[in-house]
Amino acid sequence: TQLLEQSPQFLSIQEGENLTVYCNSSSVFSSLQWYRQEPGEGPVLLVTVVTGGEVKKLKRLTFQFGDARKDSSLHITAAQPGDTGLYLCAAPQTGGFKTIFGAGTRLFVKA
Amino acid sequence: DAMVIQNPRYQVTQFGKPVTLSCSQTLNHNVMYWYQQKSSQAPKLLFHYYDKDFNNEADTPDNFQSRRPNTSFCFLDIRSPGLGDAAMYLCATSRDRVYNEQFFGPGTRLTVL
Repeated sequence: TQLLEQSPQFLSIQEGENLTVYCNSSSVFSSLQWYRQEPGEGPVLLVTVVTGGEVKKLKRLTFQFGDARKDSSLHITAAQPGDTGLYLCAAPQTGGFKTIFGAGTRLFVKA
Repeated sequence: DAMVIQNPRYQVTQFGKPVTLSCSQTLNHNVMYWYQQKSSQAPKLLFHYYDKDFNNEADTPDNFQSRRPNTSFCFLDIRSPGLGDAAMYLCATSRDRVYNEQFFGPGTRLTVL
């Protein structure tokens, strides 16, 4: 069974702080996605990483795919209250058609 | 704008009273998914359609059914809702099943009284 483990599960920080969220697995994945979900809404796709070692930036968010394509990280610089939400990593199941989701990291940024 | 639309956003039903949730997409994607999400947990896949091909997850209760009359629309039928079925129901689409970047609708919050 392929699993994605996210850490931390919950993070509460002050506006302006930096943070990193991790998504780890013992399995190799062909790609990995990060989603953000705000309360009462559906997840919104932030980024897809495909190549081992790949780094993608989206404004203050930096995403990295591990060299071995087993793990990923999301770094937020100078967090803002608008970054508050549930961050989910996800990856396509190998040999199947299901998407595996991590349990999520709930981020709360205080003004 | 291309998007995934879910109606209604909020649905209240009574214990045992059938309910249907709807999803439509303007993305012209081949794959449509239904997920159940509880209490900020990860979404749990119930089933998906690849074009007209229906794929049920092994642990999806028989109480849950789905229909996809055409590419744009997909429905989730809950035949006899129980209190444990109260959740957010998310519809998503993807262009294909292999790369499967998913585009989610806003969800329907189901309350069972």
